[in-house]
Order: sequence, then structure tokens, then C-alpha cells
Amino acid sequence: EDQVTQSPEALRLQEGESSSLNCSYTVSGLRGLFWYRQDPGKGPEFLFTLYSAGEEKEKERLKATLTKKESFLHITAPKPEDSATYLCAVQNSGYSTLTFGKGTMLLVSP
Amino acid sequence: DTAVSQTPKYLVTQMGNDKSIKCEQNLGHDTMYWYKQDSKKFLKIMFSYNNKELIINETVPNRFSPKSPDKAHLNLHINSLELGDSAVYFCASSQGGLYGNTIYFGEGSWLTVV
Repeated sequence: EDQVTQSPEALRLQEGESSSLNCSYTVSGLRGLFWYRQDPGKGPEFLFTLYSAGEEKEKERLKATLTKKESFLHITAPKPEDSATYLCAVQNSGYSTLTFGKGTMLLVSP
Repeated sequence: DTAVSQTPKYLVTQMGNDKSIKCEQNLGHDTMYWYKQDSKKFLKIMFSYNNKELIINETVPNRFSPKSPDKAHLNLHINSLELGDSAVYFCASSQGGLYGNTIYFGEGSWLTVV
């Protein structure tokens, strides 16, 4: 059974204070690892897909990296508008559905 | 333009009632899903439809019945609602059938059973 564990559960940062979120996974044949952002009262918003170890993707202040066992979402000089819950999910080599972690709730204070 | 839209956004109902949530996507995708997010914030797959055909049913009580009148719509009917059904239900879609890729989510429908 595919499993995704995210840490920490919650993270509080000052504006400009860089940090990383972790996503550890076990999956039977990884087809893709996905990062989503979820704002309160909203649906998950797609950020990145990573397909193989060593791959990196960037979007504004966010950078996602992937190894064979985990993924990191690095947040550089965060702003208050980056506050959200960040969800990690894996897609195995079978069906296209996603197995999600519980998410990391990020709060960036001005 | 909302890519994946669900109605209603909020629904409060009594135990034992029957209710429906509607979903439409305008992305031209061929696969649609229902996910459930419980109080612990875990998102779990319930159903997946590809070209109007059910392809995944993840041990969901048969009180839940999805219906797909066409590729762009996937509705969720829930009979005899129970307190434990209270959750947020997300509709989603992707392109490529069983081996599809990025899944796009709607805004969610907040169901409260009292």
C-alpha cells in the first residue's frame, strides 16, 4: 500500500525566513510525485510534478526536489501570501489516482 | 472560468436524508474523480470515472452512488446520510484515463450531517 508522510505538521516562519517541508513516501513504482497548495476553504491547487530522482522544479519562491525516498519543498524568503497547507501526493505505476499525505500547514508572519 | 465546479459549496442536512452533489469540468478531460477530505484533513479517493465508466471504487459504502451522464459531469448521490458522512467532498479531473497525469480539483463541497 502506498504511503505518504509529511513533516512537520505545522510550520511557522517569519517573512523572509527560508525553510523546507519534507515528504517521505513508499510506493509500488512511482509514476509521479505531486505537490499541491490548499488555502482554507478551497480545493488543492496544483504546483509541481516530479517524475524521477534528481529532478527539481521551481516556481517563484518554491523549489521542489525528489530523491528515491523523499521530496522536499524549499521555500525561499517566504511572504505572508505563501501561508497555506502544502500537500504531497504520489501516483503509482497503476491507476492515476493519488495517495496524499496529511499536509504541512505553513504560516508566514509579516 | 472555473475549470472544475461543484455545487452546492455548503450543505447542512439531517441524518437519514438523501442528497446530491453535482460536478462539472470544462477542461475537456476524460477522467473524473470524487475525493473525500475528513476532519483530519486526509484526502482519499472514493471513485474514478473514465469516459462515463466507473473504473475505481475504493471500498465506499453503497449508500454513495456516483453517476456520470457524460464526460464533463460526475455527480455524487448519498442515501440515508449518517453523521460520519460529514466531510468535504472534492471533485477532480484529469486527462489520460487510468494512466492520466495531473489531477485538477474543484473548490469542494462542505457536507454537515446533523
